[in-house]
Amino acid sequence: AQTVTQSQPEMSVQEAETVTLSCTYDTSESDYYLFWYKQPPSRQMILVIRQEAYKQQNATENRFSVNFQKAAKSFSLKISDSQLGDAAMYFCACSGTYKYIFGTGTRLKVLA
Amino acid sequence: NAGVTQTPKFQVLKTGQSMTLQCAQDMNHNSMYWYRQDPGMGLRLIYYSASEGTTDKGEVPNGYNVSRLNKREFSLRLESAAPSQTSVYFCASSELAGGPNTQYFGPGTRLTVL
Repeated sequence: AQTVTQSQPEMSVQEAETVTLSCTYDTSESDYYLFWYKQPPSRQMILVIRQEAYKQQNATENRFSVNFQKAAKSFSLKISDSQLGDAAMYFCACSGTYKYIFGTGTRLKVLA
Repeated sequence: NAGVTQTPKFQVLKTGQSMTLQCAQDMNHNSMYWYRQDPGMGLRLIYYSASEGTTDKGEVPNGYNVSRLNKREFSLRLESAAPSQTSVYFCASSELAGGPNTQYFGPGTRLTVL
């Protein structure tokens, strides 16, 4: 069985600062992928970044990067130079053979 | 290219009524999914269809049925709605099921059961 845990229900960051959102997971799959999705107030789910578990190199997409610690089963998201538009719910997800398991989400507030 | 579309966007039902949520995708994806989102619970998988002609239960299938009408369309039916089914429902699709395949989501349907 797969589980994904996001232990921070809510986080705040000052505009232009850096924030890290935490995610831990557990899976029995040997081949899996990890995702971060953003859900702004519009409710639309948007892919932020994806990490292949077999790759040691951390994924990066512009201001978004991950810290993937496979042995610790940890997959945190770092947002640099935070902007007001980054305010949203962020969901961590893990994919297995057919399905995806999501965490409960972290609400990120960006303070001007 | 509309991506994943869902109808309706909002719906209010009375306990015991039935309804069908419609989902369609125009990305030629093989796999489609139905989730529900509740406060503090994240997204939970109701049913999925890994490919046309197949459907499987997810984490919370009780009270729901699905139909993969064709490759494009995947509907979710509530036969006898209950207040516990008040939620936001998302449809998603991916090229293939699981693995590295990114899911693309519809805009969601907010359902209230009185």
